[in-house]
Amino acid sequence: KQEVTQIPAALSVPEGENLVLNCSFTDSAIYNLQWFRQDPGKGLTSLLLIQSSQREQTSGRLNASLDKSSGRSTLYIAASQPGDSATYLCAVVNDKIIFGKGTRLHILP
Amino acid sequence: KAGVTQTPRYLIKTRGQQVTLSCSPISGHRSVSWYQQTPGQGLQFLFEYFSETQRNKGNFPGRFSGRQFSNSRSEMNVSTLELGDSALYLCASSLSGFMDYGYTFGSGTRLTVV
Repeated sequence: KQEVTQIPAALSVPEGENLVLNCSFTDSAIYNLQWFRQDPGKGLTSLLLIQSSQREQTSGRLNASLDKSSGRSTLYIAASQPGDSATYLCAVVNDKIIFGKGTRLHILP
Repeated sequence: KAGVTQTPRYLIKTRGQQVTLSCSPISGHRSVSWYQQTPGQGLQFLFEYFSETQRNKGNFPGRFSGRQFSNSRSEMNVSTLELGDSALYLCASSLSGFMDYGYTFGSGTRLTVV
């Protein structure tokens, strides 16, 4: 049974710092992996999607990597801004889509 | 282009009642999936519809059901509501499902069961 874990559950960093969010999964036979952000009380916004054959994807200040063999993905955020404050979730797909419980990120002005 | 629209945004129901939630996907998207989000369990997959057929289903009781219409709009129904059904219900649409092209989520329906 696929399990997705995100550590830490919460993180506070000063504005301007680079940071890494972690996602681990137990079954490496995934179809793809996606990172989302969720603002309080809102739906999810797709950030990056990595197909199983890919190693990383980049969008602006965001870079996501995927290492299927070790069951890990990281989301790197460069030069963090207060507007980056949100909960970040990763999700993996094999025969179903399984979400982690997210990392609640707070960027301190 | 218009995003994914979920109605209503907020709903308060009494235990034992039933409820129907609606999701209108992005034009051209044929896959609609539904999710339940609670503080304790996080975000859990309910089911996915593609071209009016349920293609995939999560581990929820039969009280949770759905359907998809020919215009790809989808409805989710929960019968005999329980207090534990209080949650944010999200739907997402995509071109073909399984996150091939990424999912676009709606803002959700906040259901409170009292």
